[in-house]
Amino acid sequence: DTAVSQTPKYLVTQMGNDKSIKCEQNLGHDTMYWYKQDSKKFLKIMFSYNNKELIINETVPNRFSPKSPDKAHLNLHINSLELGDSAVYFCASSQDGFYTGELFFGEGSRLTVL
Amino acid sequence: AQTVTQSQPEMSVQEAETVTLSCTYDTSESDYYLFWYKQPPSRQMILVIRQEAYKQQNATENRFSVNFQKAAKSFSLKISDSQLGDAAMYFCAYRSVDNYGQNFVFGPGTRLSVLP
Repeated sequence: DTAVSQTPKYLVTQMGNDKSIKCEQNLGHDTMYWYKQDSKKFLKIMFSYNNKELIINETVPNRFSPKSPDKAHLNLHINSLELGDSAVYFCASSQDGFYTGELFFGEGSRLTVL
Repeated sequence: AQTVTQSQPEMSVQEAETVTLSCTYDTSESDYYLFWYKQPPSRQMILVIRQEAYKQQNATENRFSVNFQKAAKSFSLKISDSQLGDAAMYFCAYRSVDNYGQNFVFGPGTRLSVLP
């Protein structure tokens, strides 16, 4: 049973389109995240979200929006896709509070914008 | 803001030999967590090892061990008896305990090649 799962694993789309990536975690964690990994492998946090607070990296364009229907899900919606959005997007989760453990990652979704 | 530096973009090691990957970080906090993650070609991010800053003892996990030097803000990873399956990108990561620990910062990564 996959702890953090995201779908789809691969997306290929045209510039200007809108796309969504779904993420679900079955670990009961409080906080979920979206990371972007570019072609040079740099991992950059885009959002972190728990049931209390959404923290947005201020460098993320507002074309990107997280949507959380419940504690176990954090979807990523991207409007008006651009070439520079091509990357691997990772969903992750962590347990917070007194015990601050590691991030658990999904398998990543490779987005290619043509 | 915290930063994490990995000064070795690429490293290589002969199979069965030992290699050390470097990581330094910058923080004004006294309590935090440090991690090494491995990303093989499958792109899955896998936790290799974790170190709590308040613990003086270096963490070990089988063939993987760290040299944690808190005063120097250094956190290197040693891989002993290297195996072909160790070939991957390795990321050093820092986690703050503030803000419910949501502040995770990753280094730029080191690509490790294992030569047969």
